[in-house]
Amino acid sequence: DIRMTQSPASLSASLGETVNIECLASEDIYSDLAWYQQKPGKSPQFLIYNTNSLQNGVPSRFSGSGSGTQYSLKINSLQSEDVATYFCQQYNNYPLTFGSGTKLEIK
Amino acid sequence: EVQLVESGGGLVQPGASLKLSCVASGFTFSDYWMSWVRQTPGKTMEWIGDIKYDGSYTNYAPSLKNRFTMSRDNAKSTLYLQMSNVRSEDTATYYCTRVTEGMDAWGQGASVTVSS
Repeated sequence: DIRMTQSPASLSASLGETVNIECLASEDIYSDLAWYQQKPGKSPQFLIYNTNSLQNGVPSRFSGSGSGTQYSLKINSLQSEDVATYFCQQYNNYPLTFGSGTKLEIK
Repeated sequence: EVQLVESGGGLVQPGASLKLSCVASGFTFSDYWMSWVRQTPGKTMEWIGDIKYDGSYTNYAPSLKNRFTMSRDNAKSTLYLQMSNVRSEDTATYYCTRVTEGMDAWGQGASVTVSS
């Protein structure tokens, strides 16, 4: 199985700041990486696919990058509505696997 | 609007069976692979498996393959998850998802608690 190591586990930042969340795959996943946002008490929402393609309707302050085994999600100009837990997920190889999540809070 | 609505969750005793359903609307169900994902009380996400658009092929997490079975009825736009011999570690919220590159739509989840 491909292990997805996500960091940090939690993050506190101020409104307007830029934050980065990292995801490290245990082997090359050839950019087959998605990111999800899960707000408290809600289902996950699809943010990004193919490492850096933004899902329709997702604000442009969200962006993804990476290659090989290292990937990241960047949120520019943090807004209060960005408070959530963020998960990465690889779909290059079965079984599909998720990162452990990053809980983002406002300082 | 794409909608996925799960049902069938609840409290179940260890060793029992349970069948979850997911009714899809707002898109042509038979065009898409579908999957099940569960989230434990500790918030860990675990992929359960996926099923081809015509139901002819399935993939499962190896640890669940012998107890969980996915199926679908395209005429009813419904996805199913049959769970057998459930254990306490199966306690989770179960999500139905639409598969694209990633999972672009999620249901609201069905809560399953395994306890005597």
